[in-house]
Amino acid sequence: AQSVTQLDSQVPVFEEAPVELRCNYSSSVSVYLFWYVQYPNQGLQLLLKYLSGSTLVESINGFEAEFNKSQTSFHLRKPSVHISDTAEYFCAVSYTNAGKSTFGDGTTLTVKP
Amino acid sequence: SQTIHQWPATLVQPVGSPLSLECTVEGTSNPNLYWYRQAAGRGLQLLFYSVGIGQISSEVPQNLSASRPQDRQFILSSKKLLLSDSGFYLCAFGRRGGTDTQYFGPGTRLTVL
Repeated sequence: AQSVTQLDSQVPVFEEAPVELRCNYSSSVSVYLFWYVQYPNQGLQLLLKYLSGSTLVESINGFEAEFNKSQTSFHLRKPSVHISDTAEYFCAVSYTNAGKSTFGDGTTLTVKP
Repeated sequence: SQTIHQWPATLVQPVGSPLSLECTVEGTSNPNLYWYRQAAGRGLQLLFYSVGIGQISSEVPQNLSASRPQDRQFILSSKKLLLSDSGFYLCAFGRRGGTDTQYFGPGTRLTVL
């Protein structure tokens, strides 16, 4: 069965500090990986995704994630966070022909001034 | 462009009353459709998904049901609400057999009293 583990439920950091949100998934032959962001009382929005090709993917607002097949990980990083990055972040995985994605439990990122 | 609508945005219902939440999608055909529930501090739980009209897969046993009467309409229902049905309900759609990005609606906040 598909599973996704987000290793940290809450991550507090100071503004301009680097951050890493960790995500591990259960192993499979072919996977697609996603990070979504959710601001309070809103739906989720896609932040970035890995479908194929380069294992390092980037978002337009400075986040990046690297697909590591040997460690079955897809950690999300940002070198310098802003107050506006405060939100809940979800890692998700889908498998070929599954018809659906499996989401992690989410990580609450709180950026302090 | 593709858009997804959910209504109502908020709902307060007494225990034992019926429920109907509606979700519609515009700008795409034959989407996969999904209903999720997000309880406080408990991540995202997939309730139902549909790959076509009249085709519903239930992910967890519960007090709720789903229907897809039209290609781009997805309805979440209950005959008698329980206190445990309270939560934030999200509808989403996806393409490419459900393995690619999911696009989420704004959500419905349901409180059962």
